[in-house]
Amino acid sequence: GAVVSQHPSWVICKSGTSVKIECRSLDFQATTMFWYRQFPKQSLMLMATSNEGSKATYEQGVEKDKFLINHASLTLSTLTVTSAHPEDSSFYICSARDGLTGLRQPQHFGDGTRLSIL
Amino acid sequence: QKEVEQDPGPLSVPEGAIVSLNCTYSNSAFQYFMWYRQYSRKGPELLMYTYSSGNKEDGRFTAQVDKSSKYISLFIRDSQPSDSATYLCAMSDDDKIIFGKGTRLHILP
Repeated sequence: GAVVSQHPSWVICKSGTSVKIECRSLDFQATTMFWYRQFPKQSLMLMATSNEGSKATYEQGVEKDKFLINHASLTLSTLTVTSAHPEDSSFYICSARDGLTGLRQPQHFGDGTRLSIL
Repeated sequence: QKEVEQDPGPLSVPEGAIVSLNCTYSNSAFQYFMWYRQYSRKGPELLMYTYSSGNKEDGRFTAQVDKSSKYISLFIRDSQPSDSATYLCAMSDDDKIIFGKGTRLHILP
């Protein structure tokens, strides 16, 4: 159980294009999803917390107009990197927590998306 | 002082050995403690999840939490080459999780 699917796994695109990453909880309903960025040999850095049906909460220093998050259903959140540039190249990982069990549950992670901007 | 400290390694041990990984933290409000395993170019996989102090065992893995010392450990018995990965400790007081930087572990066949 607690499977999180992330798509695509790898994206290469030209500078200036926008890229959408999908995160789905396959066997549970996720009222809250999280988006992280991870640089090589570094830990996960939380970018934003996404709540179903409401606006995302962004961490300090993360541009909300550049990283658009939509959490329209209990099983799907999307991250759109708008007008991506080479400095946006990174490993983006989503996670989700089962929101309906009534207990404090850990986050379960997708397999990440490697984004390379040329 | 960082909220969570974790030695990045790399840590190399022979196959079959007992592996000890640990983290220290500074925030006494943390109540939930986790260990994740991350293979290269993959997302973290939850290994152990504990609440408050104590021990928890699952197969070859044992997690220990000592809140008085602000110290958590993960032990891996009978280590296998497939255990080679980066191990991330994580802890939480509420919604947000704070991760350690991860320890790279190499099990030598």
